[in-house]
Amino acid sequence: DTAVSQTPKYLVTQMGNDKSIKCEQNLGHDTMYWYKQDSKKFLKIMFSYNNKELIINETVPNRFSPKSPDKAHLNLHINSLELGDSAVYFCASSQYLGQAGEAFFGQGTRLTVV
Amino acid sequence: AQTVTQSQPEMSVQEAETVTLSCTYDTSESDYYLFWYKQPPSRQMILVIRQEAYKQQNATENRFSVNFQKAAKSFSLKISDSQLGDAAMYFCALTGANSKLTFGKGITLSVRP
Repeated sequence: DTAVSQTPKYLVTQMGNDKSIKCEQNLGHDTMYWYKQDSKKFLKIMFSYNNKELIINETVPNRFSPKSPDKAHLNLHINSLELGDSAVYFCASSQYLGQAGEAFFGQGTRLTVV
Repeated sequence: AQTVTQSQPEMSVQEAETVTLSCTYDTSESDYYLFWYKQPPSRQMILVIRQEAYKQQNATENRFSVNFQKAAKSFSLKISDSQLGDAAMYFCALTGANSKLTFGKGITLSVRP
């Protein structure tokens, strides 16, 4: 049973489209995160939520909107996709807010914008 | 602001040998945590080892150990008895009170049979 699962694992879409990536964790964790890994493999935090409350919102274009319907889910919606959005997006969760370093990561979603 | 620097883009080691991956960091916080993550070709991020800044003793996990030099802000990872399965990208990372995990650029480790 996968601890942190993301869907889809691969996503190819055209510029200008809107897409969502879903994330679910079955660990009972309080905190969830979205990270972006660019083409040079650089990993950067985008958002974190704690008990459905937005905690970290890095300098991400507002075309990116996270949504946490409940503690176990954190979805990422992206509007008006651009070529530069092509990357691997990782969802992660940790038991508490202060345990970002011990988070469990999902398998990642490779987004390709053409 | 906190930064993590991994200046070596890639390294290679012979199977069964020992290799050390370097990492330096900067933070204004007194209480922070350091980590090494492994990312194999499967993309899965795997936590290898963690170190609390307040602990003087270097962390060890089986064949993996760290050399934590707090004054020098250095946090290197030593892999002993390297195995083919150790081939991966390795990321050094740091988190503090802001709960933000900051990663280095990563280093690609290859293991020669």
